[in-house]
Amino acid sequence: GAVVSQHPSRVICKSGTSVKIECRSLDFQATTMFWYRQFPKKSLMLMATSNEGSKATYEQGVEKDKFLINHASLTLSTLTVTSAHPEDSSFYICSARAPRDRSTSNEQFFGPGTRLTVL
Amino acid sequence: GENVEQHPSTLSVQEGDSAVIKCTYSDSASNYFPWYKQELGKRPQLIIDIRSNVGEKKDQRIAVTLNKTAKHFSLHITETQPEDSAVYFCAATLNNNDMRFGAGTRLTVKP
Repeated sequence: GAVVSQHPSRVICKSGTSVKIECRSLDFQATTMFWYRQFPKKSLMLMATSNEGSKATYEQGVEKDKFLINHASLTLSTLTVTSAHPEDSSFYICSARAPRDRSTSNEQFFGPGTRLTVL
Repeated sequence: GENVEQHPSTLSVQEGDSAVIKCTYSDSASNYFPWYKQELGKRPQLIIDIRSNVGEKKDQRIAVTLNKTAKHFSLHITETQPEDSAVYFCAATLNNNDMRFGAGTRLTVKP
């Protein structure tokens, strides 16, 4: 199957700083990537849909100025948590949708996640 | 928008028994229903999926059924093993956009 990487896997930062998380599709080009947030023992909540070359589409209740998404290439999307606060601490997971020419074209492949802790 | 409900939230079975997890969805336009298995601190892994033009799909010990009329779908795991213990999530989506996940089911298989 397709491989999606995420970096860093874990980050601890001070309140007020910004943190950038990278999501890469390693062996395929992904025109669409998704960003999810997962609280402990909870489900994955879609934050935004990231489309290469265009603005991200944010879910209701997600502040676009707080969670900046950039999808500058077909293999990389970044999520920047700006002016992070302790309530932003969470597990952030990205996924990339395989292109239509792959046999698994409907499947989303998930990255390993980034655990963010804001002190 | 789509709303997915999942039951039960926790499920404990004896090794060798079957486990069934059920989900309902609200948007009749949804046409793709994947099931993911997530172990603690790890990424969700797709274990089986079903599209709306199919009523049932099976892969070894795992099967999924879909009732479009009632808008519900279920995951069936037979001959459970301790390594099946994990959190399972159902999801529903139209063409794999805006995937909505159920709340998850924590399955424990006791040896």
